[in-house]
Amino acid sequence: AQSVSQHNHHVILSEAASLELGCNYSYGGTVNLFWYVQYPGQHLQLLLKYFSGDPLVKGIKGFEAEFIKSKFSFNLRKPSVQWSDTAEYFCAVNGRGSTLGRLYFGRGTQLTVWP
Amino acid sequence: DVKVTQSSRYLVKRTGEKVFLECVQDMDHENMFWYRQDPGLGLRLIYFSYDVKMKEKGDIPEGYSVSREKKERFSLILESASTNQTSMYLCASSSNPGGLEAFFGQGTRLTVV
Repeated sequence: AQSVSQHNHHVILSEAASLELGCNYSYGGTVNLFWYVQYPGQHLQLLLKYFSGDPLVKGIKGFEAEFIKSKFSFNLRKPSVQWSDTAEYFCAVNGRGSTLGRLYFGRGTQLTVWP
Repeated sequence: DVKVTQSSRYLVKRTGEKVFLECVQDMDHENMFWYRQDPGLGLRLIYFSYDVKMKEKGDIPEGYSVSREKKERFSLILESASTNQTSMYLCASSSNPGGLEAFFGQGTRLTVV
């Protein structure tokens, strides 16, 4: 069965600290991978995505993620977080070439950054 | 700029009422989705549609139905609202072939009293 697991439910950091949010997936086939972010009171928006090619992908606001196929992982990283990164982060996966485009989401990680 | 618009930001309904949540997208996307978002549970798929008049059950369809009469509009219907349906409801759309990113609306916070 398809599933996405996010390791941390709540992460608390101070500004300038480095961030890594874990994401592992289970999916029978070739996948597309996504990280979405939801800032307080705002809608979900795409942070970055991996379809193919270089497994290290860069997104908006200095975020990056690395796809490690052998580990079924797609961890999100940022070298130095800011207070404005406080948000909920969701990892998601769908099947490449799927005509239905259904996304499977993890349960989310709430990131709180203290100034 | 892509846009998914949900008809209401906040709704308060009484137990037993029939509730309609509306979603419109302006990107000519084939796929549309309804998710429910609850703290600690992430996003759970209720129903999705890949074409007009087509629908598929997601993971938690019980107590819900959907309607897609036009490509741009996807409605979620709570046949008889119950307090355990108090939640944030998110609509999304994506294009075919699948695998591309989904675009989300701002959400409808539904409270059933």
